[in-house]
This record gives sequence, structure tokens and C-alpha cells, in this order.
Amino acid sequence: GIQVEQSPPDLILQEGANSTLRCNFSDSVNNLQWFHQNPWGQLINLFYIPSGTKQNGRLSATTVATERYSLLYISSSQTTDSGVYFCAVGTKAGGTSYGKLTFGQGTILTVHP
Amino acid sequence: KAGVTQTPRYLIKTRGQQVTLSCSPISGHRSVSWYQQTPGQGLQFLFEYFSETQRNKGNFPGRFSGRQFSNSRSEMNVSTLELGDSALYLCASSLASGTDTYEQYFGPGTRLTVT
Repeated sequence: GIQVEQSPPDLILQEGANSTLRCNFSDSVNNLQWFHQNPWGQLINLFYIPSGTKQNGRLSATTVATERYSLLYISSSQTTDSGVYFCAVGTKAGGTSYGKLTFGQGTILTVHP
Repeated sequence: KAGVTQTPRYLIKTRGQQVTLSCSPISGHRSVSWYQQTPGQGLQFLFEYFSETQRNKGNFPGRFSGRQFSNSRSEMNVSTLELGDSALYLCASSLASGTDTYEQYFGPGTRLTVT
């Protein structure tokens, strides 16, 4: 099946710093989502971005589908940005792909005041 | 529009027992997927239901099963619980139909502890 690798595994920042999280995947995808998991375990949708670039406030994401990677940018980080960030991908629906997202292992982000 | 809801939020069970978890999708969403999250294995896909039919199943033993009702609500059941089944169980709903893929939205999860 498709493999998803996220880097770095851990990231420690001072408040106000910028950061880039990377997601590499091993095959063509029809779905790519970035999530932030809060301390209670809920996955918060950040971006649905199978290709192209999107921005939402201090966060932006870019997916280069032809080169099989996606980047999540966090600018002017805040302590509330701390948590685990997941990239998840889905392939074209059908057979063993219906409704299935394959997750990376996540990046643990810690932002210090 | 209300989000995905899951009940119960926390559950403690004993080895050998069975458990049923419930998920109500976003109104209008007909696809429900279930995931298991553990510290060792991360987030893993369990199965997906669409219009009361299981369309896809992950690599889990037959003790894990599910179903979907006509109102798109879904339940998953784990029989003969093992200590390793302790995990956060997440469900997600989407508009997915046919061969199209859509964004998935997750519920708050059910944290299951098996003692």
C-alpha cells in the first residue's frame, strides 16, 4: 500500500518563529489532508489539498502531486499551535481504497513562550 | 451544521468482554470510516461504510466488525477484548460516493481502556 513519511518527527520552536512540515508519499493520490490533533485527541481539519496551494491565516499548504510531497507552513507560531500535525492521503476510490486515509506518523510541534 | 459525534467518549472494559461504539456523521454524509489510534501503530484504517454496505476493510482481525444504519449512523463492535485493543477509536464522515474522494471530518473519538 501507499507509504506516508512526515518530517521532522519533533520540532521545538520559540513563539513567533516560522516552521515547515513535510509529507512525502509513495504513490499518486486523490486526497491529501493536513490535521492538527488537539490534546483531547480530536483531529482538526487544516487543509484538504490534493494539489496546489492554499492559505488560511498563519497557515498555508502546498502539494506538488507530480513530485509526491506536501508542505505545511506555520508562520508566527503561537503556543496554541502546539500539538501533533498529521498528513493523510487517499488514493482513487475503489476496491481497497474506499474511505481509507493512510496517515503519516505525525510531527510533534512544541511552541515555547 | 453539527459535526461528527461519537458515544461514549470514554469506556473501560475487561478482557474478554465486548464493546459497541457509535458514530453519527455530519448530516448529508453517507460515508463513515473508522480508525484506531495507538501509540505504537499510529492511526490505522479499520473499515468504511457507505449506504449500509461495507466497501472497504483494513487489516484487523474478525473480532472487529461494524454496521451502518439507513440514517447513516454507524456502530463498530469489538468482541473478546484484548489488552492491545486499548486505543482511541475515531470515526470520520464524508460526502464520498462512487469513485469520487472527498474530505473526511473526524469525531472526538472514543477512548477505550481494556483491563
